[in-house]
Amino acid sequence: EAQVTQNPRYLITVTGKKLTVTCSQNMNHEYMSWYRQDPGLGLRQIYYSMNVEVTDKGDVPEGYKVSRKEKRNFPLILESPSPNQTSLYFCASSPARGGRGREQFFGPGTRLTVL
Amino acid sequence: AQSVTQLDSQVPVFEEAPVELRCNYSSSVSVYLFWYVQYPNQGLQLLLKYLSGSTLVKGINGFEAEFNKSQTSFHLRKPSVHISDTAEYFCAVSAVGAQKLVFGQGTRLTINP
Repeated sequence: EAQVTQNPRYLITVTGKKLTVTCSQNMNHEYMSWYRQDPGLGLRQIYYSMNVEVTDKGDVPEGYKVSRKEKRNFPLILESPSPNQTSLYFCASSPARGGRGREQFFGPGTRLTVL
Repeated sequence: AQSVTQLDSQVPVFEEAPVELRCNYSSSVSVYLFWYVQYPNQGLQLLLKYLSGSTLVKGINGFEAEFNKSQTSFHLRKPSVHISDTAEYFCAVSAVGAQKLVFGQGTRLTINP
C-alpha cells in the first residue's frame, strides 16, 4: 500500500531533550516536506527536500533540523525542544514536476507535547 | 508569494443541507488550487484540485469546487451533507511550477442531525 508513515504518533517530552520524528514514504517520491498544524493557523511548512541531500527552509524553520540521506526517509530533529514547539506535525511527499498534478500525500501526524 | 484566506473558521449545518466553504487566495502568478480534508485524528486527504481547464472541479465524496479567477476564489460545495462529512477542510495553493503548498487556516465543518 502506498503510504507515508510517521513515528511516533504521540510524544510527550521535556524542554531541552533532543528528539527525532521519523518519516518514510514508499512511493519513490522526490519531494518531501514537514508541516506543523496549530489551531487557527492551518499548516505551516517547516522544511522541505527536493531530493536526496537537497533540503531547504520553509516558513517556520527555527528550532528544527532535517536530513535527507535516503530518498524514502526525511526525519525531523528537534535538538532542544521548547514548549512553543508543542504542535501536530505532518510529513508529506509528492512526485517531481509533472507527476499527478503535485498532489501531496500526508502521513497520519505526530502529536508532540513539550513540557 | 501566495496566501490563502478561509473566510469561516467554523460552519455548522444540518444533515442533508447544502454547504459552501469559502476560500480566497492571493498570488501574482498563476496557481494550482487544492482542497484537503482532515477527518478526526487522521492526516490530510486530497478532496479535489484545480490545475487547468474547466473551472468546475469535481472531487471525492460528492464535493465540487469552482475556480473564479476574477474573484480569486475557490469555494467548496456539496449539495447534501452527511454526518460522515464532519471534518476540518483546508484550502491550499501552489504557484504553477513550484512544489510548495500554502494552506489556509482551515474550516471546521460540523454536521448536526
